Amino acid sequence: KQEVTQIPAALSVPEGENLVLNCSFTDSAIYNLQWFRQDPGKGLTSLLLIQSSQREQTSGRLNASLDKSSGRSTLYIAASQPGDSATYLCAVKPAGNTPLVFGKGTRLSVIA
Amino acid sequence: EAGVAQSPRYKIIEKRQSVAFWCNPISGHATLYWYQQILGQGPKLLIQFQNNGVVDDSQLPKDRFSAERLKGVDSTLKIQPAKLEDSAVYLCASSSSVGGHEQYFGPGTRLTVT
Repeated sequence: KQEVTQIPAALSVPEGENLVLNCSFTDSAIYNLQWFRQDPGKGLTSLLLIQSSQREQTSGRLNASLDKSSGRSTLYIAASQPGDSATYLCAVKPAGNTPLVFGKGTRLSVIA
Repeated sequence: EAGVAQSPRYKIIEKRQSVAFWCNPISGHATLYWYQQILGQGPKLLIQFQNNGVVDDSQLPKDRFSAERLKGVDSTLKIQPAKLEDSAVYLCASSSSVGGHEQYFGPGTRLTVT
């Protein structure tokens, strides 16, 4: 059974810092991995989707990497801003007709 | 393009009452998902539709939860009767097809059962 773990559970950094959020999964047989952002009381916004054949994806100040063999993904946020404060969720799409498996998220606070 | 729409945004009910949530997916998206997100947890899939057929409802508590997508477009999720542990955010998502296609989420409905 696929399990997804995100560390740390919460993170507080000063504005301007570069930071890394970690996601690990137990079964390397995945179709893709997706990073989401969730603001308090809101739905999920898709940030980046990495197919199993890819190593990384970039969007603006965000870069996500995937190491399928070791069961790890990282989300790198450059030059963090207070507007980046949110919960970041990692989700894995296992191979086969199985649903997305989510981690519990990392709650990020960027202090001005 | 319009996103996934959900209503209501908030609902407070007493235990043993019933409640219904509505979702309208992105136009043209064949696959629709309902998730339950308990505070501090990641979303958990309740049911997945492909057009108006059910693909996966293995985690849906069928004794109290039901969902339908009669015309293959919008969908309703119902809880009857509600329990305290049903307090959660109910998220609807859609994608262009089954498999590994990117999912787009609606704003969610926050349900509080007292």
